[in-house]
Amino acid sequence: AQKVTQAQTEISVVEKEDVTLDCVYETRDTTYYLFWYKQPPSGELVFLIRRNSFDEQNEISGRYSWNFQKSTSSFNFTITASQVVDSAVYFCALARAGNNRKLIWGLGTSLAVNP
Amino acid sequence: ETGVTQTPRHLVMGMTNKKSLKCEQHLGHNAMYWYKQSAKKPLELMFVYNFKEQTENNSVPSRFSPECPNSSHLFLHLHTLQPEDSALYLCASSQGGRVHNNSPLHFGNGTRLTVT
Repeated sequence: AQKVTQAQTEISVVEKEDVTLDCVYETRDTTYYLFWYKQPPSGELVFLIRRNSFDEQNEISGRYSWNFQKSTSSFNFTITASQVVDSAVYFCALARAGNNRKLIWGLGTSLAVNP
Repeated sequence: ETGVTQTPRHLVMGMTNKKSLKCEQHLGHNAMYWYKQSAKKPLELMFVYNFKEQTENNSVPSRFSPECPNSSHLFLHLHTLQPEDSALYLCASSQGGRVHNNSPLHFGNGTRLTVT
């Protein structure tokens, strides 16, 4: 069975703090994809990153970075020097490779960045 | 401005009403999706259309009826809904075809539906 767990339901930080959002997944597939999406208060989910299971390189994009560790089945997301505009719900998702458009979603982590 | 537009943003309907949700994408995508987002539940995939063909119906009750007249437009027709159908309904699009099965989704702002 496939599953995505985001154990942190809510996180509250003060602006400029670093914050890490955890994502742990379960799958028996050897080939799969992992995603992070951001959902601001306006409602639409915004794609942040996609990583395939063969690419364990960490990725950095501005203040965002992602740490993919197959050994622990984790795909954690770190925001450095957080800003108020980072306040949103963040979702981690898992997809099987191949002929399948289904995503397995975590429940999301609600991040509040306070001034 | 989002490339996926959903209307209306909010909808309140009685259980005997018939209404439709509309989604339009301007991204040149060929796959479109309906998702349901309820509190404390993972996003639920409802329907998938790939090149106007329905490829996924995730055991959705028949009171929800999708329609995809072309690759840019997607509708969700609603009738005799139940209060538990109240949720945020999100439309998404992505590149179509088998090669792009795991391409990122682009979402609209959603329609907040309340069934009274």
